Formats: sequence, C-alpha cells, structure tokens
Amino acid sequence: GDSVTQMEGPVTLSEEAFLTINCTYTATGYPSLFWYVQYPGEGLQLLLKATKADDKGSNKGFEATYRKETTSFHLEKGSVQVSDSAVYFCALRDSGYSTLTFGKGTMLLVSP
Amino acid sequence: GAVVSQHPSWVICKSGTSVKIECRSLDFQATTMFWYRQFPKQSLMLMATSNEGSKATYEQGVEKDKFLINHASLTLSTLTVTSAHPEDSSFYICSARGQENQPQHFGDGTRLSIL
Repeated sequence: GDSVTQMEGPVTLSEEAFLTINCTYTATGYPSLFWYVQYPGEGLQLLLKATKADDKGSNKGFEATYRKETTSFHLEKGSVQVSDSAVYFCALRDSGYSTLTFGKGTMLLVSP
Repeated sequence: GAVVSQHPSWVICKSGTSVKIECRSLDFQATTMFWYRQFPKQSLMLMATSNEGSKATYEQGVEKDKFLINHASLTLSTLTVTSAHPEDSSFYICSARGQENQPQHFGDGTRLSIL
C-alpha cells in the first residue's frame, strides 16, 4: 500500500536558519504530493503541492520538488521565522484514489 | 480561498452522552468530505469518507455504529460520536473537497474530551 515517511522531530532551529524536512513515499500509482501545516490547536492548511515529476510547489517561502527518481518531496525554506513553528505533514494522493495518505508529521520549533 | 468551518472547536461531556460535530464548506460545494482522528503527537487517521447523498465508507477498524456520519447536503457533514467514553477523547478533523482533482480543505478541528 501507499505510505509516507517523514523525518522525526522536533526540528529545532534559530530564526533565519535554513530548513529541510525530508519526505519519501511509496505509491502504487502516480501520486500527487502535498505538504500541509498544522499550527497548535488548529486543523491542517495546505502549504504547497506538486502533481507530476519535477514540479516544484512553493508558497510563503517554502519549496518542495517532486523527485520521482528518489521518490522524495523534501520541504525547504531558506530563512525560517518564529511564526513558522508548527507541525508539517507530507501527504500523497495516489492516482485513482480519493484519500490522502499522511506521514506522521514533523514538529518545527524556531527560536528567536 | 476555500473555507471549511468545523463546530464546535472544543467540547467536554460526560461519559455515555452523544456528541455531534459539524463540518461545513462555506464557499464551495463539497462533493466529498473526510473525517480524521488525530491522537497527541500522531498523524491523522482517516476514519471515513462520505459523498453527498450516499452512505459513508468507513476505514477498517472504525465502528460504524459508534461514529455516525451524515452528509445530507453539499455543504454539511456531521459526525456523531454515540455513547462516548473516555477512550473516544481525541482531536477530530474534517476536510472537504469539491471535484475529484481538487485539493482537500481542512477544518480547524474539534477537541473532544470525555470525562
């Protein structure tokens, strides 16, 4: 079956540091890939997505590139802010399916 | 953008009572709605998928009679936790989607605490 593997957290960074959160996946079909962000006590917000190989999703300074050859979709940001502190979920939706498969989430803590 | 409203955001009730959680799509028609459960520091576990006007499809291990899902209109789905017990305490999140190729939009979640 489909699965998503994320690096375990928490990831602790100082403000303005570079961020990478690794995500790899397995899928039977040709999935679309997503990053969601969850702030404390809230639901999930779609951060960015990519629907085919080599696509780059970007939003609010975050980027992720769909790498089919390495089955990865790593999240990056060049300079994190305290307000980026949240839990980040990598997810996929396989072709022909309605549902999302989530990774376990990675907590990001950014200190001033 | 697309907005999904979930209500209530927090509910505390006694063991044995039933609790209803509402999920509304405010500015789009939600053909499909999803209900998730999230345990502390865990990922989201899909409980069920519902299409408007049809019976919900439950994931393996989720009790249909315990978690009643209704999706009577294109803008509203409800999850009723029947005869709730402390082990049902959790964070429940709904999401909604329009057409098949569109992304899911999530509500802010409902924290359910059963005493």
